[in-house]
Amino acid sequence: NAGVTQTPKFQVLKTGQSMTLQCAQDMNHEYMSWYRQDPGMGLRLIHYSVGAGITDQGEVPNGYNVSRSTTEDFPLRLLSAAPSQTSVYFCASSWQGSSYEQYFGPGTRLTVT
Amino acid sequence: QQPVQSPQAVILREGEDAVINCSSSKALYSVHWYRQKHGEAPVFLMILLKGGEQKGHEKISASFNEKKQQSSLYLTASQLSYSGTYFCALNQGGKLIFGQGTELSVKP
Repeated sequence: NAGVTQTPKFQVLKTGQSMTLQCAQDMNHEYMSWYRQDPGMGLRLIHYSVGAGITDQGEVPNGYNVSRSTTEDFPLRLLSAAPSQTSVYFCASSWQGSSYEQYFGPGTRLTVT
Repeated sequence: QQPVQSPQAVILREGEDAVINCSSSKALYSVHWYRQKHGEAPVFLMILLKGGEQKGHEKISASFNEKKQQSSLYLTASQLSYSGTYFCALNQGGKLIFGQGTELSVKP
């Protein structure tokens, strides 16, 4: 099993550009989440999904869109990048049977100039 | 609302003990603990469930006080490999809300 994979590992964007961060898991987990990590702030939940076709907002959803058309994939879209979105982004998956233990991807380091 | 962790940072010598606390203003149903090494993704350590059931790590223990809405992580006889940032997270129906982290440094 590959677990949770994320692409790209690094990305530099100019203000106003849009892009999609990819996340995939091969563990058949129903739950998937996106977090951003900034120094001193811990991990903050952006959006999450409890299954294909179902998504909901987390703590910091503004400026981001998600969709979940399959169990495996959960892409995160930045609509119009801003310097405040410079961060490390982690995708995670989990399932109810393991009390929602989070399996994290390796992360994407995004810089917006 | 984000749980509050204390202390924010701690420095230990190898073999010393440490306690990291996690407090919430909301009722706790389960608490997760994770460790993150620099430049890596967080890794699961432990889950504490309402009712006292604990699942996780062999050499690290934790407590869960539902009345005080607080969880504590106990690291005993610390090793160099324990260095990293520790996060608690509150489970709210499948979505996790993380604390701001406690940075632990273990020196030889």
